[in-house]
Amino acid sequence: QQQVRQSPQSLTVWEGETAILNCSYEDSTFDYFPWYWQFPRESPALLIAIRPVSNKKEDGRFTIFFNKREKKLSLHITDSQPGDSATYFCAALNTNTGKLTFGDGTVLTVKP
Amino acid sequence: EAAVTQSPRNKVAVTGGKVTLSCNQTNNHNNMYWYRQDTGHGLRLIHYSYGAGSTEKGDIPDGYKASRPSQENFSLILELATPSQTSVYFCASGTGGINQDTQYFGPGTRLLVL
Repeated sequence: QQQVRQSPQSLTVWEGETAILNCSYEDSTFDYFPWYWQFPRESPALLIAIRPVSNKKEDGRFTIFFNKREKKLSLHITDSQPGDSATYFCAALNTNTGKLTFGDGTVLTVKP
Repeated sequence: EAAVTQSPRNKVAVTGGKVTLSCNQTNNHNNMYWYRQDTGHGLRLIHYSYGAGSTEKGDIPDGYKASRPSQENFSLILELATPSQTSVYFCASGTGGINQDTQYFGPGTRLLVL
């Protein structure tokens, strides 16, 4: 059973639109939720993260909305730019074990 | 800035051969991790370590061994490589502990097993 699920698998938006990427998880022991982005032939890099004590985290055009009761979170990218085109991974960390579990990713394409 | 390096960056191996992937971090982080990434998938955890001398099995440890001889170095060993182990392998380091957060990733090693 996949512990972290992401949807959609791929998403295309026009420049200036808002992209919404969804994530859900199973394990209640997860207590830190980073989003990573990855460009082709590069390694994943941390984009933004949230802890369950908050239900929202903003960093510029990127915002995480977190619903602990439903075990769901989403990443909103406002005013999307072509340079935002990448694969976005939702991940969940159990700080007791240090294990980070990744979703399968959403491929975002922003068309100019 | 976090610094995690991997070697080799590319490797071609033969089926049944031994492959060693190396990782070095200069962050003085306690935790280190080995992941593999296959096309269309996220990263899957193979082995990880809490410090020198420790190794722990991740979610997909079969066919892999790990070694953590020092704080800085963490190796992934494929004793008998198989074509199914063709993948991109990423090493990462993290602080560990109750307030741990970001894991910093190395550049990856592309392994092709023929």
